[in-house]
Amino acid sequence: NAGVTQTPKFQVLKTGQSMTLQCAQDMNHEYMSWYRQDPGMGLRLIHYSVGAGITDQGEVPNGYNVSRSTTEDFPLRLLSAAPSQTSVYFCASGSSTDTQYFGPGTRLTVL
Amino acid sequence: DAKTTQPPSMDCAEGRAANLPCNHSTISGNEYVYWYRQIHSQGPQYIIHGLKNNETNEMASLIITEDRKSSTLILPHATLRDTAVYYCIVRPLFTGGGNKLTFGTGTQLKVEL
Repeated sequence: NAGVTQTPKFQVLKTGQSMTLQCAQDMNHEYMSWYRQDPGMGLRLIHYSVGAGITDQGEVPNGYNVSRSTTEDFPLRLLSAAPSQTSVYFCASGSSTDTQYFGPGTRLTVL
Repeated sequence: DAKTTQPPSMDCAEGRAANLPCNHSTISGNEYVYWYRQIHSQGPQYIIHGLKNNETNEMASLIITEDRKSSTLILPHATLRDTAVYYCIVRPLFTGGGNKLTFGTGTQLKVEL
């Protein structure tokens, strides 16, 4: 199993650009989620999904969209990038009550 | 979810036991204590979780006080590779709204020679 994979590893955007961060898991997990981590801080939940076709907002959803068309994939879209979205983004997956498995992260810089 | 309090940093000599405390005085009866760690620049890694009994796995032991208001994560023989930020998280086993984790700022454990 590859576990949780994220692409790209690094990305630099200009203010106003849009992009999609990819996340995939091969463990057939129901739950997937996106977190962001700013320097010196803990992770904060952006959006999560409890299954294909079902998504919901987390603690800091503004400026981000998600969709879950398959069990395996959970992309995160930045609609119009802002410098405040400079962060490290982690995707995670897990079963209903099980532990969560995190991807290696995407380091995003918005100029 | 109940809030947790952890010391911001701790040091430990390699080969010695690392004991990381966590205070969760407002924990509810249906909430579990989870521990994750984050090695520099990597995604968080699950370590262990428990409800009220002490738990042990290949990575660590978790000691929960009888009143469940605090717990201690024990790494029995710390190595340099255990240097990381350790997060103590309290949450219900069944969250109903997804497998959400609320991260605080954790404890930075530094293991030294």
